[in-house]
Amino acid sequence: DVKVTQSSRYLVKRTGEKVFLECVQDMDHENMFWYRQDPGLGLRLIYFSYDVKMKEKGDIPEGYSVSREKKERFSLILESASTNQTSMYLCASSLCRKGGQGCFDTEAFFGQGTRLTVV
Amino acid sequence: QQPVQSPQAVILREGEDAVINCSSSKALYSVHWYRQKHGEAPIFLMILLKGGEQKGHDKISASFNEKKQQSSLYLTASQLSYSGTYFCGTGNSGNTPLVFGKGTRLSVIA
Repeated sequence: DVKVTQSSRYLVKRTGEKVFLECVQDMDHENMFWYRQDPGLGLRLIYFSYDVKMKEKGDIPEGYSVSREKKERFSLILESASTNQTSMYLCASSLCRKGGQGCFDTEAFFGQGTRLTVV
Repeated sequence: QQPVQSPQAVILREGEDAVINCSSSKALYSVHWYRQKHGEAPIFLMILLKGGEQKGHDKISASFNEKKQQSSLYLTASQLSYSGTYFCGTGNSGNTPLVFGKGTRLSVIA
């Protein structure tokens, strides 16, 4: 059974703390993603990675960084947590389907999410 | 740029049909559809890759009009289990990730 596992379901942190959200997938997927989900705003892409050691900014990268040292693990880092980063964070992975124009996303598998509250 | 989904929310009685639309201002290579139940992770429904392609799964199907840069999800004879938020994700070209819409909340009542 395919699986994307996020390290915590619920997390409460203080303003200014450095926060690590971990995501591990066991499907040997090349592509991994971090999304933020807020009511009425849908899924917004923070960062993504199409290969080990590779990372690209998504639509809302400010205040975040990522690390992908191993293929199966993609970590999201909040350098200095702020209250406006209180949100649900979803990690996802997918296979890369190679085409003439590069890598295309296939079916994405999502983790259960981490609900982060910054106080 | 986020695709635009419509409607934002819809309430159905069991057995009724619904259509959810997804449109983009950019040329599309692919459209993905996902459903998320409350408190759960989004689950993949289907991918449409070619213009004019239609796919179906049970009583849920979708079409992709590449020329109009839009896709529609059709839910036929809705069941209580269809309740949830439906997201479309659009892909424009290689090496660019999916961009998801804001979602359509579907509620099916008895």
